Amino acid sequence: SAVISQKPSRDICQRGTSLTIQCQVDSQVTMMFWYRQQPGQSLTLIATANQGSEATYESGFVIDKFPISRPNLTFSTLTVSNMSPEDSSIYLCSVERTGGLEAFFGQGTRLTVV
Amino acid sequence: AQSVTQLGSHVSVSEGALVLLRCNYSSSVPPYLFWYVQYPNQGLQLLLKYTSAATLVKGINGFEAEFKKSETSFHLTKPSAHMSDAAEYFCAVSDPGANSKLTFGKGITLSVRP
Repeated sequence: SAVISQKPSRDICQRGTSLTIQCQVDSQVTMMFWYRQQPGQSLTLIATANQGSEATYESGFVIDKFPISRPNLTFSTLTVSNMSPEDSSIYLCSVERTGGLEAFFGQGTRLTVV
Repeated sequence: AQSVTQLGSHVSVSEGALVLLRCNYSSSVPPYLFWYVQYPNQGLQLLLKYTSAATLVKGINGFEAEFKKSETSFHLTKPSAHMSDAAEYFCAVSDPGANSKLTFGKGITLSVRP
């Protein structure tokens, strides 16, 4: 398995501001994924982050709103920019262990925008 | 495109009763299938996975699921519910060539009555 640490675990932010969420993995991984879980909803993939290349965004998500960094094989950040109350969600980092057939998830960041 | 259908949003069983959580999928290629559990205020934990080996898959905490290609189903069962099983359960599908990029169902909340 992989141990994934996300920071912060929760935050309350003012609308119009930005929040950067960090995801640290205890081992090198090829693929890192960022998901959003809106209240009462399932998980939706925001983007896939590979080290050394631009993140690949899913339909409905854009880099200006959710910029992602992947500086090395154990770390990634997701920024939620110019936040509005609609961005209130749980944001989860997920990794695929190299050669593995399953994804592991962090504890999530519970974001409330007021 | 892949999709997952989890009918209903809430299942309630008595402690000791059979747990049956339904999942149907749609995929243009033989998929990988997963069940994840999410306890309150926690991230997702993998219960079990099907990756084209045995069609009856055993997971953690006494759960198992059977892949039925003819029915495009991957229902999750447990013979005897325990209070600690109360959580949200997500079925997910991935394309074997898509490197753990998961498509999730809406999730089912399982309640266990004493």
